[in-house]
Amino acid sequence: ETGVTQTPRHLVMGMTNKKSLKCEQHLGHNAMYWYKQSAKKPLELMFVYSLEERVENNSVPSRFSPECPNSSHLFLHLHTLQPEDSALYLCASSQDRGSNTQYFGPGTRLTVL
Amino acid sequence: GENVEQHPSTLSVQEGDSAVIKCTYSDSASNYFPWYKQELGKRPQLIIDIRSNVGEKKDQRIAVTLNKTAKHFSLHITETQPEDSAVYFCAASKHTGFQKLVFGTGTRLLVSP
Repeated sequence: ETGVTQTPRHLVMGMTNKKSLKCEQHLGHNAMYWYKQSAKKPLELMFVYSLEERVENNSVPSRFSPECPNSSHLFLHLHTLQPEDSALYLCASSQDRGSNTQYFGPGTRLTVL
Repeated sequence: GENVEQHPSTLSVQEGDSAVIKCTYSDSASNYFPWYKQELGKRPQLIIDIRSNVGEKKDQRIAVTLNKTAKHFSLHITETQPEDSAVYFCAASKHTGFQKLVFGTGTRLLVSP
Protein backbone atom coordinates (compact mmCIF):
# COMPACT_ATOMS: atom_id res chain seq x y z
CA GLU A 1 0.00 0.00 0.00
CA THR A 2 2.92 2.44 0.47
CA GLY A 3 4.67 1.62 -2.83
CA VAL A 4 3.17 4.61 -4.63
CA THR A 5 2.15 7.66 -2.61
CA GLN A 6 0.34 10.80 -3.65
CA THR A 7 -0.15 14.17 -1.98
CA PRO A 8 -2.39 15.87 -1.30
CA ARG A 9 -5.21 13.34 -1.03
CA HIS A 10 -7.84 16.04 -1.43
CA LEU A 11 -7.59 19.46 -3.08
CA VAL A 12 -10.13 22.20 -3.60
CA MET A 13 -9.07 25.07 -5.81
CA GLY A 14 -10.53 28.02 -7.63
CA MET A 15 -10.22 28.44 -11.37
CA THR A 16 -7.52 31.08 -11.00
CA ASN A 17 -5.34 29.13 -8.58
CA LYS A 18 -2.09 27.33 -9.28
CA LYS A 19 -1.44 24.08 -7.46
CA SER A 20 0.66 20.95 -7.88
CA LEU A 21 0.01 17.27 -7.31
CA LYS A 22 2.89 15.08 -6.20
CA CYS A 23 3.52 11.39 -6.73
CA GLU A 24 6.37 9.34 -5.33
CA GLN A 25 7.13 5.70 -5.95
CA HIS A 26 9.29 3.54 -3.71
CA LEU A 27 9.40 0.49 -5.97
CA GLY A 28 12.50 1.22 -8.03
CA HIS A 29 10.39 1.60 -11.16
CA ASN A 30 11.45 3.57 -14.21
CA ALA A 31 8.09 4.51 -15.72
CA MET A 32 5.41 6.73 -14.19
CA TYR A 33 1.92 7.65 -15.36
CA TRP A 34 -0.81 10.20 -14.68
CA TYR A 35 -4.44 9.12 -15.12
CA LYS A 36 -7.70 11.02 -14.74
CA GLN A 37 -10.69 9.15 -13.29
CA SER A 38 -14.07 10.81 -13.74
CA ALA A 39 -17.42 9.41 -12.72
CA LYS A 40 -18.85 6.90 -15.21
CA LYS A 41 -15.86 7.22 -17.54
CA PRO A 42 -12.92 4.89 -18.14
CA LEU A 43 -9.59 5.73 -16.60
CA GLU A 44 -7.96 8.17 -19.01
CA LEU A 45 -4.22 8.12 -19.52
CA MET A 46 -2.81 11.65 -19.46
CA PHE A 47 0.98 11.39 -19.47
CA VAL A 48 3.68 8.73 -19.42
CA TYR A 49 7.28 9.26 -18.35
CA SER A 50 9.99 6.69 -18.89
CA LEU A 51 13.43 7.36 -17.43
CA GLU A 52 12.34 10.99 -16.89
CA GLU A 53 11.47 11.42 -20.56
CA ARG A 54 7.87 12.16 -21.51
CA VAL A 55 6.81 9.48 -23.98
CA GLU A 56 3.07 10.11 -24.11
CA ASN A 57 0.94 13.23 -23.98
CA ASN A 58 -2.58 12.06 -24.59
CA SER A 59 -4.13 15.27 -25.97
CA VAL A 60 -4.19 16.86 -22.54
CA PRO A 61 -4.94 20.61 -22.29
CA SER A 62 -1.95 22.81 -21.55
CA ARG A 63 -3.46 23.84 -18.20
CA PHE A 64 -2.05 20.48 -17.01
CA SER A 65 1.75 20.48 -16.96
CA PRO A 66 3.69 17.39 -15.86
CA GLU A 67 7.18 17.32 -14.45
CA CYS A 68 9.40 14.32 -13.75
CA PRO A 69 12.63 15.42 -12.03
CA ASN A 70 13.79 11.84 -11.41
CA SER A 71 12.47 8.31 -11.76
CA SER A 72 10.93 8.35 -8.27
CA HIS A 73 8.97 11.59 -8.45
CA LEU A 74 6.25 12.90 -10.71
CA PHE A 75 4.36 16.16 -10.46
CA LEU A 76 1.27 17.51 -12.14
CA HIS A 77 1.14 21.31 -12.14
CA LEU A 78 -2.33 22.79 -12.43
CA HIS A 79 -3.31 26.30 -13.47
CA THR A 80 -6.51 28.01 -14.60
CA LEU A 81 -8.48 24.78 -14.36
CA GLN A 82 -12.15 24.40 -15.25
CA PRO A 83 -14.90 22.82 -13.13
CA GLU A 84 -15.00 19.87 -15.54
CA ASP A 85 -11.43 19.08 -14.48
CA SER A 86 -12.76 17.95 -11.11
CA ALA A 87 -11.88 14.25 -10.84
CA LEU A 88 -9.66 11.73 -9.10
CA TYR A 89 -6.10 12.00 -10.40
CA LEU A 90 -4.20 8.76 -10.14
CA CYS A 91 -0.49 8.21 -10.44
CA ALA A 92 0.94 4.81 -11.38
CA SER A 93 4.35 3.29 -11.92
CA SER A 94 5.77 0.25 -13.65
CA GLN A 95 9.12 -1.48 -13.79
CA ASP A 96 10.01 0.07 -17.12
CA ARG A 97 8.09 1.38 -20.04
CA GLY A 98 7.83 -2.09 -21.54
CA SER A 99 6.46 -3.63 -18.38
CA ASN A 100 2.76 -4.33 -18.33
CA THR A 101 2.01 -4.27 -14.62
CA GLN A 102 1.19 -0.83 -13.31
CA TYR A 103 0.82 -0.06 -9.61
CA PHE A 104 -1.43 2.80 -8.63
CA GLY A 105 -1.24 5.43 -5.94
CA PRO A 106 -4.26 6.33 -3.79
CA GLY A 107 -5.12 9.34 -5.93
CA THR A 108 -5.83 13.03 -5.34
CA ARG A 109 -9.50 14.01 -5.29
CA LEU A 110 -9.55 17.40 -7.03
CA THR A 111 -12.49 19.78 -6.91
CA VAL A 112 -12.40 22.93 -9.03
CA LEU A 113 -14.83 25.60 -7.96
CA GLY B 1 -6.68 3.18 -31.49
CA GLU B 2 -7.76 0.54 -29.01
CA ASN B 3 -11.30 0.59 -27.63
CA VAL B 4 -12.41 -1.54 -24.68
CA GLU B 5 -16.05 -2.15 -23.85
CA GLN B 6 -17.12 -3.65 -20.52
CA HIS B 7 -20.41 -5.20 -19.43
CA PRO B 8 -22.41 -5.10 -17.29
CA SER B 9 -22.03 -1.71 -15.66
CA THR B 10 -23.56 -3.01 -12.44
CA LEU B 11 -23.92 -6.54 -11.14
CA SER B 12 -25.69 -7.67 -7.99
CA VAL B 13 -25.29 -11.22 -6.69
CA GLN B 14 -25.99 -13.14 -3.52
CA GLU B 15 -23.10 -14.28 -1.40
CA GLY B 16 -21.86 -17.63 -2.67
CA ASP B 17 -23.02 -17.06 -6.24
CA SER B 18 -20.66 -16.64 -9.19
CA ALA B 19 -20.09 -13.35 -11.00
CA VAL B 20 -18.95 -12.88 -14.57
CA ILE B 21 -17.78 -9.61 -16.13
CA LYS B 22 -17.07 -9.40 -19.86
CA CYS B 23 -14.87 -7.12 -21.95
CA THR B 24 -14.30 -6.80 -25.65
CA TYR B 25 -11.40 -5.07 -27.36
CA SER B 26 -10.89 -3.78 -30.86
CA ASP B 27 -7.16 -3.97 -31.57
CA SER B 28 -6.10 -7.49 -32.53
CA ALA B 29 -2.50 -6.55 -31.69
CA SER B 30 -3.35 -6.17 -27.98
CA ASN B 31 -1.57 -8.86 -26.02
CA TYR B 32 -1.97 -8.04 -22.33
CA PHE B 33 -5.23 -7.94 -20.39
CA PRO B 34 -5.22 -7.03 -16.69
CA TRP B 35 -8.14 -6.75 -14.29
CA TYR B 36 -8.13 -4.17 -11.52
CA LYS B 37 -10.33 -4.00 -8.41
CA GLN B 38 -11.12 -0.62 -6.88
CA GLU B 39 -12.85 -0.49 -3.53
CA LEU B 40 -14.64 2.67 -2.54
CA GLY B 41 -12.17 5.46 -1.86
CA LYS B 42 -9.17 3.26 -2.60
CA ARG B 43 -6.68 2.83 -5.41
CA PRO B 44 -7.14 0.36 -8.28
CA GLN B 45 -5.30 -2.87 -7.50
CA LEU B 46 -4.30 -5.55 -9.97
CA ILE B 47 -6.06 -8.81 -9.16
CA ILE B 48 -5.24 -10.96 -12.15
CA ASP B 49 -3.89 -10.59 -15.68
CA ILE B 50 -3.55 -12.71 -18.79
CA ARG B 51 -1.34 -12.56 -21.85
CA SER B 52 -2.36 -13.46 -25.36
CA ASN B 53 -0.44 -16.72 -25.42
CA VAL B 54 -2.68 -18.14 -22.67
CA GLY B 55 -6.39 -18.95 -22.86
CA GLU B 56 -7.21 -19.15 -19.18
CA LYS B 57 -5.64 -18.28 -15.85
CA LYS B 58 -6.87 -19.01 -12.33
CA ASP B 59 -5.99 -17.69 -8.91
CA GLN B 60 -8.09 -19.21 -6.14
CA ARG B 61 -11.64 -17.89 -6.60
CA ILE B 62 -10.91 -15.70 -9.59
CA ALA B 63 -10.21 -16.69 -13.16
CA VAL B 64 -9.82 -14.91 -16.46
CA THR B 65 -10.51 -16.36 -19.90
CA LEU B 66 -9.38 -14.95 -23.23
CA ASN B 67 -10.81 -15.57 -26.68
CA LYS B 68 -8.42 -13.95 -29.15
CA THR B 69 -10.52 -14.84 -32.17
CA ALA B 70 -13.58 -13.10 -30.80
CA LYS B 71 -11.47 -10.42 -29.09
CA HIS B 72 -13.08 -10.77 -25.72
CA PHE B 73 -11.99 -11.69 -22.23
CA SER B 74 -13.90 -12.32 -19.04
CA LEU B 75 -13.42 -12.24 -15.29
CA HIS B 76 -15.03 -15.03 -13.28
CA ILE B 77 -15.42 -14.84 -9.51
CA THR B 78 -16.74 -17.95 -7.78
CA GLU B 79 -18.16 -18.24 -4.25
CA THR B 80 -18.51 -14.49 -4.00
CA GLN B 81 -18.14 -12.81 -0.61
CA PRO B 82 -19.28 -9.36 0.57
CA GLU B 83 -15.65 -8.18 0.48
CA ASP B 84 -15.65 -8.79 -3.27
CA SER B 85 -17.95 -5.78 -3.57
CA ALA B 86 -16.04 -3.14 -5.55
CA VAL B 87 -15.67 -1.67 -9.03
CA TYR B 88 -13.78 -3.93 -11.43
CA PHE B 89 -11.95 -2.57 -14.46
CA CYS B 90 -10.62 -4.49 -17.41
CA ALA B 91 -7.88 -3.12 -19.64
CA ALA B 92 -5.96 -4.00 -22.77
CA SER B 93 -2.57 -3.03 -24.10
CA LYS B 94 0.07 -4.01 -26.61
CA HIS B 95 3.80 -3.87 -26.30
CA THR B 96 4.93 -1.03 -28.57
CA GLY B 97 7.81 0.39 -26.58
CA PHE B 98 5.77 1.63 -23.67
CA GLN B 99 2.61 0.37 -22.06
CA LYS B 100 -0.58 2.22 -22.79
CA LEU B 101 -3.41 0.57 -20.90
CA VAL B 102 -6.86 1.28 -22.32
CA PHE B 103 -9.48 0.72 -19.65
CA GLY B 104 -13.10 -0.34 -19.76
CA THR B 105 -15.76 1.76 -18.03
CA GLY B 106 -15.90 -0.48 -14.97
CA THR B 107 -18.41 -2.85 -13.39
CA ARG B 108 -19.81 -2.16 -9.95
CA LEU B 109 -20.20 -5.53 -8.23
CA LEU B 110 -22.40 -5.75 -5.16
CA VAL B 111 -22.39 -8.98 -3.17
CA SER B 112 -25.26 -9.19 -0.70
CA PRO B 113 -24.95 -11.37 2.42
